[in-house]
Amino acid sequence: KQEVTQIPAALSVPEGENLVLNCSFTDSAIYNLQWFRQDPGKGLTSLLLIQSSQREQTSGRLNASLDKSSGRSTLYIAASQPGDSATYLCAVGGNTGGFKTIFGAGTRLFVKA
Amino acid sequence: EAGVAQSPRYKIIEKRQSVAFWCNPISGHATLYWYQQILGQGPKLLIQFQNNGVVDDSQLPKDRFSAERLKGVDSTLKIQPAKLEDSAVYLCASSLEAAANYGYTFGSGTRLTVV
Repeated sequence: KQEVTQIPAALSVPEGENLVLNCSFTDSAIYNLQWFRQDPGKGLTSLLLIQSSQREQTSGRLNASLDKSSGRSTLYIAASQPGDSATYLCAVGGNTGGFKTIFGAGTRLFVKA
Repeated sequence: EAGVAQSPRYKIIEKRQSVAFWCNPISGHATLYWYQQILGQGPKLLIQFQNNGVVDDSQLPKDRFSAERLKGVDSTLKIQPAKLEDSAVYLCASSLEAAANYGYTFGSGTRLTVV
């Protein structure tokens, strides 16, 4: 059974700092991994989608990496801004009983001005 | 392209009452998902449709929850009767296909409070 863990659960950093959010998963037989952002009271906004054959994806100040063999993904945010404050969730797409996506509980990020 | 539309945005009901949520996916998206997100947790899949057929409803509490996707487009999720533990955000998502190469697009969700 796939389990997805995100550490830390919460993070507070000063503006301008580079930071890394971690996601780990127990079953390495995945199809893809997706990072989402969720603002309070809102739905999820897709940030980056990494296919199983890829090692990283970049969008602006965001870079996501994937290491299937070790069951890890990281989301790197460069030069953080107060507007980056949100909850970041990773979702692992696998083939457990058909194609299923399992979400982590998220990391709550607060960027202080 | 227009996003995934959900309504209502908020709903407060008493326990044992019934409630229904509506979702309109992105045009052309064959796969539709309903997720339940309890405060502080990641979303949990309730049901997945491929066109108007159910692909996965293994985590749907079928004694009280039901969902349908008529004509393979819009979908409704119903809870009857509601319990206090059903308080959560109900998220609808869609994707082009239920294949590994496609990511998800989520709606803004419906926040349900059962009192």
